[in-house]
Amino acid sequence: EAQVTQNPRYLITVTGKKLTVTCSQNMNHEYMSWYRQDPGLGLRQIYYSMNVEVTDKGDVPEGYKVSRKEKRNFPLILESPSPNQTSLYFCASSLVQGTIYNEQFFGPGTRLTVL
Amino acid sequence: DAKTTQPTSMDCAEGRAANLPCNHSTISGNEYVYWYRQIHSQGPQYIIHGLKNNETNEMASLIITEDRKSSTLILPHATLRDTAVYYCIARGGSNYKLTFGKGTLLTVNP
Repeated sequence: EAQVTQNPRYLITVTGKKLTVTCSQNMNHEYMSWYRQDPGLGLRQIYYSMNVEVTDKGDVPEGYKVSRKEKRNFPLILESPSPNQTSLYFCASSLVQGTIYNEQFFGPGTRLTVL
Repeated sequence: DAKTTQPTSMDCAEGRAANLPCNHSTISGNEYVYWYRQIHSQGPQYIIHGLKNNETNEMASLIITEDRKSSTLILPHATLRDTAVYYCIARGGSNYKLTFGKGTLLTVNP
């Protein structure tokens, strides 16, 4: 089944304790992206990647890191989490085909709480 | 990407057609109109997209006005499971980012 998976789905942690949220897709998609969703602010893009070893900042990259060493994986790293990073996080992926833009597939979300 | 405007909320009776409007008066010629929905904190789900012509798939129909300044998403026979926030997004050029607004909360009532 074509899907985007995220782990963990729920995480409660403390300020400053490094964590990684994994994202994996099995559709051979070139494009992958991370969003965070907060009440009243909607979904905002954190980082994105157009292909292996190609990443770039989205609208709210501060406090986050990403890497794209393999096409299928796009982990989100919080080196020193803070309470303002408490949020619902989504990973998404899509094909890149010329100028015809395809649907983006979203993962189920990771609910992160930083105390 | 062009700004889109949607009503905050709408109600629909189960089994009836749900018509969700979207205004995108500043859309440019190469921007597509996309519709996604999000069911209660799940990951957003793609519904349909179009450029100029009306489009239909197994989930919905998309009607785009001739001047492309507005569009309507039609769910022909709404069910309770269609209760969700529906997002209309205008996107084009080389931009793969989806800019989500506040969307329309569609509530399908029994």
